[in-house]
Amino acid sequence: GAVVSQHPSWVICKSGTSVKIECRSLDFQATTMFWYRQFPKQSLMLMATSNEGSKATYEQGVEKDKFLINHASLTLSTLTVTSAHPEDSSFYICSQAGQGGETQYFGPGTRLLVL
Amino acid sequence: GESVGLHLPTLSVQEGDNSIINCAYSNSASDYFIWYKQESGKGPQFIIDIRSNMDKRQGQRVTVLLNKTVKHLSLQIAATQPGDSAVYFCAEVNAGNMLTFGGGTRLMVKP
Repeated sequence: GAVVSQHPSWVICKSGTSVKIECRSLDFQATTMFWYRQFPKQSLMLMATSNEGSKATYEQGVEKDKFLINHASLTLSTLTVTSAHPEDSSFYICSQAGQGGETQYFGPGTRLLVL
Repeated sequence: GESVGLHLPTLSVQEGDNSIINCAYSNSASDYFIWYKQESGKGPQFIIDIRSNMDKRQGQRVTVLLNKTVKHLSLQIAATQPGDSAVYFCAEVNAGNMLTFGGGTRLMVKP
């Protein structure tokens, strides 16, 4: 399967600040990466699909101006939570499809706490 | 915070017993399914997958069963070990290789 890393693994920030989360593909190039959010004791909810060299595709209800996604290279996608608020506190997880294209492999996640 | 009434169903089994985790899916057109294991504070980990042209697939200590008639998946874990304790999610792979996750089941293994 694919190997995906995320940085940072956890972050605490003040309300109103912006936080950038990096998702890296370590073993092969990924034209598409996915960003998920997971609240405690809930399932993963897809936020957006990140496409290398083009704009991300956001799911309904996800504010594109608040959750900025940049997929500038085939091995790196970033999610920036702008003007973070306490309700943005969550576990953010990225994934990429393996070489076969269908199976998604997940990063270790980034826990965000907004005070 | 946690929404009222929202919680993961829990399956508690004795170490060494077999575990069966069930999942219902919604899209009868889905043709590829994946089971993931998520340990606390970590991202989901691929366990096993199955295509709709199969009704059973076996891995190491795990078996996935697919019943397309009733849109039901199950994950069987043989000789459950403490390291199997986690939350297990089934997922349908839809158009564009996008995943739709089930609600998840927490497996607790008692020593």
